[in-house]
Amino acid sequence: EIVLTQSPGTLSLSPGERATLSCRASQSVSSSYLAWYQQKPGQAPRLLIYGASSRATGIPDRFSGSGSGTDFTLTISRLEPEDFAVYYCQQYGGSLLTFGGGTKVEIK
Amino acid sequence: QVQLQESGPGLVKPSETLSLTCTVSGASISTYYWSWIRQPPGKGLEWIGYISYSGSTNYNPSLKSRVTISVDTSKTQFSLKLSSVTAADTAVYYCARGGNYGINWGQGTLVTVSS
Repeated sequence: EIVLTQSPGTLSLSPGERATLSCRASQSVSSSYLAWYQQKPGQAPRLLIYGASSRATGIPDRFSGSGSGTDFTLTISRLEPEDFAVYYCQQYGGSLLTFGGGTKVEIK
Repeated sequence: QVQLQESGPGLVKPSETLSLTCTVSGASISTYYWSWIRQPPGKGLEWIGYISYSGSTNYNPSLKSRVTISVDTSKTQFSLKLSSVTAADTAVYYCARGGNYGINWGQGTLVTVSS
């Protein structure tokens, strides 16, 4: 099983600032099969990124994903008020799909 | 656009079988992969499994002995059955389009396991 560790647990930032979220895998994620989701309270997760760096349909270009192997990053270039939420990474490189524990981006 | 809606009992007794249905609109259920994911209250996400357009399945090994996912193409629905439930199965259950990752998600339904 590939274990995903997200850091930090909570990120306190102001609107307009840059957010950098980390997702580290316990073993290499094949073919960069990694996705990122955003979840707001009481809502379902929303797909942001797949294939480590491809934006899903309708996702603003302030969201970007990068990385390979065991280290992946989600960057939000300039935080908008609607971006404050919990973010999860998920790998699908093996037959068992796993999620990270999440990073909460909160307003400072 | 693609829409998914979960339905089923919100309360299930311990040792019984949890049964949920996901109704799909805006996409052919015979074309894509379809998944179930759950989230215990206040916790993170757990992948349960998926079914392909051809009917092949892939389940989380930790749940495999208790899970069945099936598709009813005539009703554009797919279903989840989880047997022998305990309080640890209390969660919001989501259905989603996609096998490897969830492209579109239902709003989720809370299932509580309690006597």
